[in-house]
Amino acid sequence: DLVMTQSPLFLPVTLGQPASISCRSSQSLVYSDGDTCFSWFQQRPGQSPRRLIYKVSNRDSGVPDRFSGSGSGTDFTLKISRVEAEDVGVYYCAYATHQSLTFGGGTRVELK
Amino acid sequence: QLVESGGGLVQPGGSLRLSCKASGFTFSNYAINWVRQSPPRGLEWIAGISRLGDYAVYADSAKGRFTLSRDNARNTVYLQMDSLRVEDTALYYCAKDVNPPGIYGGNFWGQGTLVTVSS
Repeated sequence: DLVMTQSPLFLPVTLGQPASISCRSSQSLVYSDGDTCFSWFQQRPGQSPRRLIYKVSNRDSGVPDRFSGSGSGTDFTLKISRVEAEDVGVYYCAYATHQSLTFGGGTRVELK
Repeated sequence: QLVESGGGLVQPGGSLRLSCKASGFTFSNYAINWVRQSPPRGLEWIAGISRLGDYAVYADSAKGRFTLSRDNARNTVYLQMDSLRVEDTALYYCAKDVNPPGIYGGNFWGQGTLVTVSS
């Protein structure tokens, strides 16, 4: 089974400073059309999750450009260039194999 | 907007039908995924249906027990859940995605409906 491991589990951040979250997959996966089916999601306190990034590095509509995704194979990274207060929450990575999506356990981002 | 409904308390072995009602966008242009969230299991994708409803995909935990269908005339997706287990207790979200189901989750999610399986 595919396992997604995020690090760190908890990330204290400073407003205006950069932040980075890592995600490692137990398998390297590429979809039949050549895309890597990897996404990042954000869940703010008390809200439903929303997707930030898909296909490793594509930002969804309305997502600020301070969020960026990168990586390949089994190692992926979400970066926030300058943390804002609204970025507090839990971030999840997700990877798909054979049209079955697996989420990571989440990284909690909080202000120092 | 996506609005889930149909959750509630059910005994183990029982059934529930969840609905995901959409508004404000062209429903038939989007696949719909269902993702559940619970403290012990975190986020778990369970199923997705194509934009035209011609196929559905399921997680192993849902195969044989859950069935997805959609009515594009009513802008609604239905998740029929049978043989429910205690471990199916969770908040169930539906999410829309222009991509095929089970690949990228969804760029917009509803508020969720709570399913509790308990005797």
